[in-house]
Amino acid sequence: GAVVSQHPSWVICKSGTSVKIECRSLDFQATTMFWYRQFPKQSLMLMATSNEGSKATYEQGVEKDKFLINHASLTLSTLTVTSAHPEDSSFYICSARDTGHILAGVSDTQYFGPGTRLTVL
Amino acid sequence: GENVEQHPSTLSVQEGDSAVIKCTYSDSASNYFPWYKQELGKGPQLIIDIRSNVGEKKDQRIAVTLNKTAKHFSLHITETQPEDSAVYFCAASKTGGFKTIFGAGTRLFVKA
Repeated sequence: GAVVSQHPSWVICKSGTSVKIECRSLDFQATTMFWYRQFPKQSLMLMATSNEGSKATYEQGVEKDKFLINHASLTLSTLTVTSAHPEDSSFYICSARDTGHILAGVSDTQYFGPGTRLTVL
Repeated sequence: GENVEQHPSTLSVQEGDSAVIKCTYSDSASNYFPWYKQELGKGPQLIIDIRSNVGEKKDQRIAVTLNKTAKHFSLHITETQPEDSAVYFCAASKTGGFKTIFGAGTRLFVKA
C-alpha cells in the first residue's frame, strides 16, 4: 500500500517549451500533495503544497506562474514547468499524505514518488 | 524558523559494522519523526518513523531513538550491508498538516 507514481520518470525538452509532470496516489486518496525539487547531492527543497480543489500554496521564492500546480482530484496532482530554461533542469519529486489515515488519526506520513528528471536544453 | 540539523554528512563503515546518524530539531512542538532512504536516481522511501510518545522503535536491523528533552533523534543501523549504501534523510513535523522539515542528508557508504 501507499504507492505514489510519477510520470514521466525523465524528460528532455527544448528551452522555451512547457513540461507537465503527473503525480498519482495509486491506492489511497490524497487531499494534500507536495512538490519538491532536489539538486545533486542536496536535500529536498519544498516548492509548493498542492491542495485538492483549491489553489496551491507556494514557498517563498518559488514563482507560481512558472510552476503551475493543479490538484483536480484526490489522486492526481500535476506540476507544469512553463517556458522551461536550462536552470530549471533538476530532479522533481512529489509526495502525498493518505487522507484516510489522517482523518482516522493513524498517520500523516508522506509517501514519495520515484521522481522526474527534467533536462532543459 | 523550524530547522533540522543532521550529522554526519558522510559516513563510511565496513560491512557488518553499525552506523548511527543523528538529528536535532528546533521546534519543540514537533511530534513526528520519519526517516527516509534515497537511492541514486530514486525518490525517498520511508524506512522507519517515531512519534513523540515513544522513546525508541525497532524494525529488524533498524532502530530509531528519540530524546524529546534534548530535541535529538537518531537512526541506528546494525549489521550493515552494501545495499544499505544510500542517502538517509531525517525529518520532523507536527501532526495536523504542517510542513515536514528535512535534514540535509547523510551519505552512507558500506564497504564490502
